[in-house]
Amino acid sequence: DTAVSQTPKYLVTQMGNDKSIKCEQNLGHDTMYWYKQDSKKFLKIMFSYNNKELIINETVPNRFSPKSPDKAHLNLHINSLELGDSAVYFCASSQELAGGETQYFGPGTRLLVL
Amino acid sequence: AQTVTQSQPEMSVQEAETVTLSCTYDTSENNYYLFWYKQPPSRQMILVIRQEAYKQQNATENRFSVNFQKAAKSFSLKISDSQLGDTAMYFCAFMEYGNKLVFGAGTILRVKS
Repeated sequence: DTAVSQTPKYLVTQMGNDKSIKCEQNLGHDTMYWYKQDSKKFLKIMFSYNNKELIINETVPNRFSPKSPDKAHLNLHINSLELGDSAVYFCASSQELAGGETQYFGPGTRLLVL
Repeated sequence: AQTVTQSQPEMSVQEAETVTLSCTYDTSENNYYLFWYKQPPSRQMILVIRQEAYKQQNATENRFSVNFQKAAKSFSLKISDSQLGDTAMYFCAFMEYGNKLVFGAGTILRVKS
């Protein structure tokens, strides 16, 4: 009965590879997000989507491309992985785009680039 | 740009005692929302409490309460009757319109038996 799920939970890969992280929410929410938590535990928003439409793009390198096939899914594809991409990536969702909606987070995907 | 400052990198408290985690923020907005999230060693981000800036009353959730001082732009979290399961990293977060959450650097809280 997981509300926001992510796959995989762990991802170890070589520099230069391309990888994807999948996110699904079964809460019926309209808005989904990707956050990055770096090695110092600092959390920063990367993207948000509302009903499959990109709303926030926080000057993330264009090697990162989010894709939302429907409002329950928001996947993150990363091309040409670099060492600095190593982090924990969290997906989250909220009821709607209106201000103040609580965001519910997935369990995170730990990405290690070697 | 809005910023959130958590000035205590680490804190510890004895089981059953009370502890307060501080958070200040900077904004020119009048209407906004504030949150505390907890991240235990499992890594899961868990909502602790939410406050709407236009409400004077401080939010409370069981043993967790906030002291929201809008003029001072301060939003501290009080945990009463601390339990071992409260050991976690706590993040203060500010939300502006559009649901963009801006997080502080976090405070590691250790509850000792």
